[in-house]
Amino acid sequence: SAVISQKPSRDICQRGTSLTIQCQVDSQVTMMFWYRQQPGQSLTLIATANQGSEATYESGFVIDKFPISRPNLTFSTLTVSNMSPEDSSIYLCSVARGTGFNEQFFGPGTRLTVL
Amino acid sequence: KQEVTQIPAALSVPEGENLVLNCSFTDSAIYNLQWFRQDPGKGLTSLLLIQSSQREQTSGRLNASLDKSSGRSTLYIAASQPGDSATYLCAVNSNQAGTALIFGKGTTLSVSS
Repeated sequence: SAVISQKPSRDICQRGTSLTIQCQVDSQVTMMFWYRQQPGQSLTLIATANQGSEATYESGFVIDKFPISRPNLTFSTLTVSNMSPEDSSIYLCSVARGTGFNEQFFGPGTRLTVL
Repeated sequence: KQEVTQIPAALSVPEGENLVLNCSFTDSAIYNLQWFRQDPGKGLTSLLLIQSSQREQTSGRLNASLDKSSGRSTLYIAASQPGDSATYLCAVNSNQAGTALIFGKGTTLSVSS
């Protein structure tokens, strides 16, 4: 398995501001993912963050809105920029581990409310 | 485009009942399938991982089956307990290991004592 921590666990932010979410893993991993879970919805992938390369964004998500850093193999950040109430969601990071990077494990999530 | 559907959306049962949660996916070319549990406002806990070559996996009171050709998986929970109350999510990994998961919307289970 994997031990994944996220900071902050929750936050309430004002419209137009930005929030950076941190994801820390207990050991080195190649692949990290950032997901969003909007209220009452399932998880949607924002981007894949591999160390040493630019993050790969899914359709509907852009780097200017969700810049990602991956400075090393145990850490990543996701910034939610110029926030609006529609960005209110749970943001989760995950890592792929196991034989062939087969199984995915998730952090506890960051609950963001934008007023 | 892969789509994952979970039925029912919600389920309420008395303690002690055996129950089945269903998951279907549109593209049978999957690498593996994972079942997760999510408690309210929390992250996801991995319950079971089934490789595409496997038919089922078991962990304690949980048993997950996979029928890749028909695009279906079931999660069987034996002797349900109030502590099992949570949302159960099914997710498929298409094509290769290490790619992102595609999730269903989940089944919210409530077990009453």
